[in-house]
Amino acid sequence: GQQLNQSPQSMFIQEGEDVSMNCTSSSIFNTWLWYKQDPGEGPVLLIALYKAGELTSNGRLTAQFGITRKDSFLNISASIPSDVGIYFCAGLDSSNTGKLIFGQGTTLQVKP
Amino acid sequence: KAGVTQTPRYLIKTRGQQVTLSCSPISGHRSVSWYQQTPGQGLQFLFEYFSETQRNKGNFPGRFSGRQFSNSRSEMNVSTLELGDSALYLCASSRYLAGTEAFFGQGTRLTVV
Repeated sequence: GQQLNQSPQSMFIQEGEDVSMNCTSSSIFNTWLWYKQDPGEGPVLLIALYKAGELTSNGRLTAQFGITRKDSFLNISASIPSDVGIYFCAGLDSSNTGKLIFGQGTTLQVKP
Repeated sequence: KAGVTQTPRYLIKTRGQQVTLSCSPISGHRSVSWYQQTPGQGLQFLFEYFSETQRNKGNFPGRFSGRQFSNSRSEMNVSTLELGDSALYLCASSRYLAGTEAFFGQGTRLTVV
């Protein structure tokens, strides 16, 4: 079945540093979504991407939908302690249903 | 605008019992999907409902079932609970069936003992 490979698995960075994470797949996706999840809570939608090549920002977050439609990346600039959490990429599969395929998650820790 | 509401937040059940979880989507959203999250398997798709019809189903046994009501609220049911069913169950709502953002509730933490 469809799978997303998300990397890195975890990151431990200093406050103020920039962060980059990405997702790749052997399958084509029509939509890419990036979520952040805090412990014990549901994922919160950060950015949605709908077109190949699309670059979208949300504050300090920037995400891109890869040209091949098989990858996406998320950048966080000037990280702050509240950026701590698990970041997930999710692809909406090309069969045009609402089924999301999730990456394994990137755990981000920020040292003040 | 209220978000996705899941009840209950926490649940402890015994093996062999059954459980029903509830999800109220964002007002105006007609698609509701359910996911199981565990440390080992991550987020796994259970099923999706749109206009009271199941449109898609993941690879879970028949013990997992769901339904959607005319007001778009959804329930999922797990019968004959097993220890491995312990997980965070998440509901996501979308305005349409496909191609739009999915917004998640806080989840129901189910513990099977």
